[in-house]
Amino acid sequence: DIVMTQSPDSLAVSLGERATINCKSSQSVLYSSNNKNYLSWYQQKPGQPPKLLFYWASTRESGVPDRFSGSGSGTDFTLTISGLQAEDVAVYYCQQSYSTPRTFGQGTKVEIK
Amino acid sequence: EVQLVESGGDLVQPGGSLRLSCAASGFTLSTFLMYWVRQAPGKGLVCVSRLHSDGTSTHYADSVKGRFTISRDNAKNTLFLQMNSLRAEDTAIYYCVREVTTATIYGMDVWGQGTTVTVSS
Repeated sequence: DIVMTQSPDSLAVSLGERATINCKSSQSVLYSSNNKNYLSWYQQKPGQPPKLLFYWASTRESGVPDRFSGSGSGTDFTLTISGLQAEDVAVYYCQQSYSTPRTFGQGTKVEIK
Repeated sequence: EVQLVESGGDLVQPGGSLRLSCAASGFTLSTFLMYWVRQAPGKGLVCVSRLHSDGTSTHYADSVKGRFTISRDNAKNTLFLQMNSLRAEDTAIYYCVREVTTATIYGMDVWGQGTTVTVSS
């Protein structure tokens, strides 16, 4: 199974500042035939199910604000929130869809400082 | 509206059984990869079972293999998870999840609200 490791486990950021979450996979999730990274990001707010934010590492799901961005390739990926808003308080998960079973990172909790 | 609604979660004793249901609306469940993803209290997300759109190919996490069975009823557009020999460590919220795998979008794009399973004496 591919192991996904996120860092940090939690971070506190002031409103309007940048939050950066890292995700590392134990093997590459880049599919060479189409040059796509099979890495997704999800946001889970308290008491709610997760919500898909990005797929293919950097493709934003419809309706996701553009202050959110995804980047990276191979085994190293980053989710950035540029200009943190109060509604962004949540736990963020990365997930690989390169192989079965699908596996998630342990989550990163984002709070307001 | 595209929606998944789970039911069947309950308090059950160790060794007991439960059957979770997931009713889909707004789309045909049998044309997608479908998952049960669980989240233990205060913990992360784990895929426990997957059913391929072909209706026969399945996958189970090692922790539930031999105890859980995923299936679907096409006529009722409903996904099931039969859970036997339940253990305390199976306590979690169980989410029914659709995964879309097309040339334009690839991810778990529809999640139910979840149903809570508690295994305790």
